Amino acid sequence: EDQVTQSPEALRLQEGESSSLNCSYTVSGLRGLFWYRQDPGKGPEFLFTLYSAGEEKEKERLKATLTKKESFLHITAPKPEDSATYLCAVEGSSNTGKLIFGQGTTLQVKP
Amino acid sequence: DGGITQSPKYLFRKEGQNVTLSCEQNLNHDAMYWYRQDPGQGLRLIYYSQIVNDFQKGDIAEGYSVSREKKESFPLTVTSAQKNPTAFYLCASSRTGEYQPQHFGDGTRLSIL
Repeated sequence: EDQVTQSPEALRLQEGESSSLNCSYTVSGLRGLFWYRQDPGKGPEFLFTLYSAGEEKEKERLKATLTKKESFLHITAPKPEDSATYLCAVEGSSNTGKLIFGQGTTLQVKP
Repeated sequence: DGGITQSPKYLFRKEGQNVTLSCEQNLNHDAMYWYRQDPGQGLRLIYYSQIVNDFQKGDIAEGYSVSREKKESFPLTVTSAQKNPTAFYLCASSRTGEYQPQHFGDGTRLSIL
C-alpha cells in the first residue's frame, strides 16, 4: 500500500534559521513526488514536482531534493511569510492520476 | 486569470439534508478531483474524473455523489448518508498524463447545524 509520512508535524523557527522538512514514502513505482504549500483556510498551492532520485528543484528560499525513500524540503534563511503548512504527495504506478498525501508539516517562522 | 472556483466558501447542513458543493475550472484540464481534509490528517480522495461523463470512486466515496456533464464542472453532493460530513472540501484539476501536478481551489468548509 502506498504511504507518505511527514516529519516533524510542527516546526518553529526564528527568522533566518535554516532547516529541513522530511517526507518519507513507500510506493510501488514512483511516478512523481509533489510538494505543496497551504495557508490557513486556503487550498494547497503547487510548489515542485520531483521525478527521480537525485533530482533537485529550487524556488526562492526553498529547495526540494529526492532519494529513493524520502524527500526533503530545505528552507534557507526563512522569513515570516514562509509560515504555512507544507504538504507532500506521491503518485505511484499502481494509482495513476491519484495522489497520496502526507499529513503535512506546519511551519511557523518568528520575526 | 485561469483557476479553480469553489462555492460557497462556507456551507451549513441540517440533519437529513443533501447539499451540493460547486467546482468550476477554466484551465482546460481534463481531470478533476474532490478531496476531504480533516484536522491532523492528509487529504483523502473522494471521487475523481479523467474525462467528461466518467468518474471513479476514491478512498472515501461512501455518502457522496458526483457528476461530470461538462469539462469545466465537477459538483459534489454530500448526502444524508454521510454521517460525519463536517470537514474542509477541496476540488482540484490537472492535465492527464505523466507527472501532471494537481491545482486546487480554495475550498468549501461544511458544518452541521
